[in-house]
Amino acid sequence: GQSLEQPSEVTAVEGAIVQINCTYQTSGFYGLSWYQQHDGGAPTFLSYNALDGLEETGRFSSFLSRSDSYGYLLLQELQMKDSASYFCAVRDRKGQAGTALIFGKGTTLSVSS
Amino acid sequence: DSGVTQTPKHLITATGQRVTLRCSPRSGDLSVYWYQQSLDQGLQFLIQYYNGEERAKGNILERFSAQQFPDLHSELNLSSLELGDSALYFCASSVGPGNSYEQYFGPGTRLTVT
Repeated sequence: GQSLEQPSEVTAVEGAIVQINCTYQTSGFYGLSWYQQHDGGAPTFLSYNALDGLEETGRFSSFLSRSDSYGYLLLQELQMKDSASYFCAVRDRKGQAGTALIFGKGTTLSVSS
Repeated sequence: DSGVTQTPKHLITATGQRVTLRCSPRSGDLSVYWYQQSLDQGLQFLIQYYNGEERAKGNILERFSAQQFPDLHSELNLSSLELGDSALYFCASSVGPGNSYEQYFGPGTRLTVT
C-alpha cells in the first residue's frame, strides 16, 4: 500500500520561511506533487518533482530525494494569504494503465502578523 | 477559477437515498478524477477516467459508481447513502493520465446525509 507522512500543523510569522516535510512509502512511485487548499476551497496545484533536486516557482520551492523517499515544500517571504492546508501527493501506478494521486493528510499552515 | 465545474454545490439527503454528482472537466482535458474529502480521512482518491474509459480505481465503495460520457463530462453516483458518506466530493481533470500530477479541481459538492 501507500502511506504519506507530513506534519499536521505548522505556524509561522509574516516574512518568515517555513519548510513542510513529506515522507512517503509507495510501490510504484512516479513523482511528488504539492497542492494548496484554502479553507472550504478547491485544492490548487503548486509544484511537481519527478527527479531529485529542487524546483523553484516564485516564493515556493519543492525538493525531492527519491533515495530517501522524502520531499519538502519551502515557502519563503510568508504572507497572511499563505495560511492554508498544504498536501503532498505521490503519483502512483494504479492498475494496468492508470496513475493516481495519493494525498497525505495535509499540513495546516497558520501565518500570523 | 480552474475551469472545472461541479454541480450541485450542496446536497442534503436522507440515509438510504441515491444521488448523482456531475462534473465537467477543463476544456481540452481528457482525464477526470473523483475524490472524497472528509475531516478524518483527508483527500481520498476514488476513481479515474480517461476519454470515457475507467483507468484507475482507489478506495471506492461498491455502493458508488461513476462514468465518463462521450462529451467528457462525468457523473458520480452514490447509492444507499449512509451518514458516513457525508463529505466534500471533488472532481479534478488533467490533460491525460500522463499529467495526473497536475490536476485542476472543481469547487466541490458538499454532501450531507441526514
